[in-house]
Amino acid sequence: AQSVSQHNHHVILSEAASLELGCNYSYGGTVNLFWYVQYPGQHLQLLLKYFSGDPLVKGIKGFEAEFIKSKFSFNLRKPSVQWSDTAEYFCAVNPHRGAGSYQLTFGKGTKLSVIP
Amino acid sequence: DVKVTQSSRYLVKRTGEKVFLECVQDMDHENMFWYRQDPGLGLRLIYFSYDVKMKEKGDIPEGYSVSREKKERFSLILESASTNQTSMYLCASKVGRRPSEQYFGPGTRLTVT
Repeated sequence: AQSVSQHNHHVILSEAASLELGCNYSYGGTVNLFWYVQYPGQHLQLLLKYFSGDPLVKGIKGFEAEFIKSKFSFNLRKPSVQWSDTAEYFCAVNPHRGAGSYQLTFGKGTKLSVIP
Repeated sequence: DVKVTQSSRYLVKRTGEKVFLECVQDMDHENMFWYRQDPGLGLRLIYFSYDVKMKEKGDIPEGYSVSREKKERFSLILESASTNQTSMYLCASKVGRRPSEQYFGPGTRLTVT
């Protein structure tokens, strides 16, 4: 079965520091890739997604992610974090397995704490 | 905006009770999903449905069943609740037969005592 690995369980940064959260997946075929964010007490919401085309995708709130097919990776980046970015971040993968295959496999999540 | 609502934010049930968690979406989405979220384990798929009356098992279906009688509503049923089913349950929906994101509800925190 495919798996999604997020390398860091908890990341602590000071405001204005740069952020990179790692995500690797094990499926060898075509995939759709997502980063979701869960702010404290809020719904899980989409940060960004990759389906095809330019492997560098931009999302909301200044986040971006780069799909590197050869490394099976989809790392999330932000050049300068803010206290309001404190949240839990989930990487998710949808392997293409034919019509109707829309299941997402999620990583275990990375908690980001930003210190003012 | 897509809206996915769940019937309760918090629920406390006793071991052995039958529990129903309800989810409703208002965007005519064909696909609906139930996940459980546990600290350090991320989200794990319990069941999903790609059409009315259709259901597929996810990664952890044991101890759960689902019902989808109407397109907008997807119910998760715990036939006999156990303490290891204490968790946060998230419902999601997704449009049709093309790549797109899933939209999540606020979650139901279920405690089984």
